[in-house]
Amino acid sequence: GQQVMQIPQYQHVQEGEDFTTYCNSSTTLSNIQWYKQRPGGHPVFLIQLVKSGEVKKQKRLTFQFGEAKKNSSLHITATQTTDVGTYFCAGSPPGNQFYFGTGTSLTVIP
Amino acid sequence: DARVTQTPRHKVTEMGQEVTMRCQPILGHNTVFWYRQTMMQGLELLAYFRNRAPLDDSGMPKDRFSAEMPDATLATLKIQPSEPRDSAVYFCASGLEAGLGEQYFGPGTRLTVT
Repeated sequence: GQQVMQIPQYQHVQEGEDFTTYCNSSTTLSNIQWYKQRPGGHPVFLIQLVKSGEVKKQKRLTFQFGEAKKNSSLHITATQTTDVGTYFCAGSPPGNQFYFGTGTSLTVIP
Repeated sequence: DARVTQTPRHKVTEMGQEVTMRCQPILGHNTVFWYRQTMMQGLELLAYFRNRAPLDDSGMPKDRFSAEMPDATLATLKIQPSEPRDSAVYFCASGLEAGLGEQYFGPGTRLTVT
């Protein structure tokens, strides 16, 4: 069935290092969303990408949607301890369905 | 500051008991989602509604789970009978369009079935 996979599953970085998580779908997506979940918290919406090849930035975060609309990435420049959490992508194939990725848990070491 | 609310926040129950979780979506949102999150399975979509009508509940075990929206301000998820493997955090989220646009998550109900 449809799956949205994310890699890596876990990532430990020193504060100040960069971080990237990748999201891959087996089918073409209409759009993709990114969420962040802090430990003990609930997922919080970060951004949505719709167009092929789209790139969006939010301060130190850069989001990209692949040309084939099957993959996406989230890159954080110069991580801070406030970036700690699990990052999820959520992809929507044409139609009403959508799927959350498996998540990447980020630990930032001060 | 509009928020999705969920009750109870924590629930401990014995196997075989009925569990009902409630969600109040953000006023004006027409789409409501129920998710289950565990360490092993991650975030799973159980069911979602648009304009109070169930659109998809294929992720939900039908024999023991049921989801309803008695009115636009209340969504319920019921487990009867509960089993230890149902232990998880259950999130409700609301939005304006299924699969498109931001979903606002509630704080979750942490369920423990002993």
